[in-house]
Amino acid sequence: AQKVTQAQTEISVVEKEDVTLDCVYETRDTTYYLFWYKQPPSGELVFLIRRNSFDEQNEISGRYSWNFQKSTSSFNFTITASQVVDSAVYFCALSEPYGNNRLAFGKGNQVVVIP
Amino acid sequence: DGGITQSPKYLFRKEGQNVTLSCEQNLNHDAMYWYRQDPGQGLRLIYYSQIVNDFQKGDIAEGYSVSREKKESFPLTVTSAQKNPTAFYLCASSMNRYNEKLFFGSGTQLSVL
Repeated sequence: AQKVTQAQTEISVVEKEDVTLDCVYETRDTTYYLFWYKQPPSGELVFLIRRNSFDEQNEISGRYSWNFQKSTSSFNFTITASQVVDSAVYFCALSEPYGNNRLAFGKGNQVVVIP
Repeated sequence: DGGITQSPKYLFRKEGQNVTLSCEQNLNHDAMYWYRQDPGQGLRLIYYSQIVNDFQKGDIAEGYSVSREKKESFPLTVTSAQKNPTAFYLCASSMNRYNEKLFFGSGTQLSVL
């Protein structure tokens, strides 16, 4: 069975500090996709990134960066120079293969950025 | 603007009552999903539909029902058989079923009176 673990439940940082969110996954499949979503206080989840299991390159998008390490089954997310607008719940998710697009979500990380 | 519209934002259910949550999308997406979110928990899949007139049970389908008569619409009914319905319900869609990113609505908070 597919499983995603996000160990830290709530993380508080002072504005401009960096914050890293850990995501560890379990799967028996060799082909899979990993995602990160952001859930601001308004409630809707917003897509941040998708990574397939064959692409281990790290990615940077503005202040966001992702580190994918297949050897440790981790797909960690770092916010650099955090801002108050980054306050949200962040979910890591793993998709089943074979085209069903069913996602296994972690429990999420509540990030609180203190001005 | 293209997107997913969920209504109502807040809904209250009496004991023994069925209630229906609305989800409409104008993104021309084939696939649609219903997730349930409980405080401090991740999202759990209730039902999903990959194409019109077809849907499959997710991980926690008991006590829920859906229909997909139109591509744009995927309503969720919470039946009286669902004994613990209080939760935040999120509808989502994706272009197709092939590991595409999901687009989410703003959710419906369901509470029991």
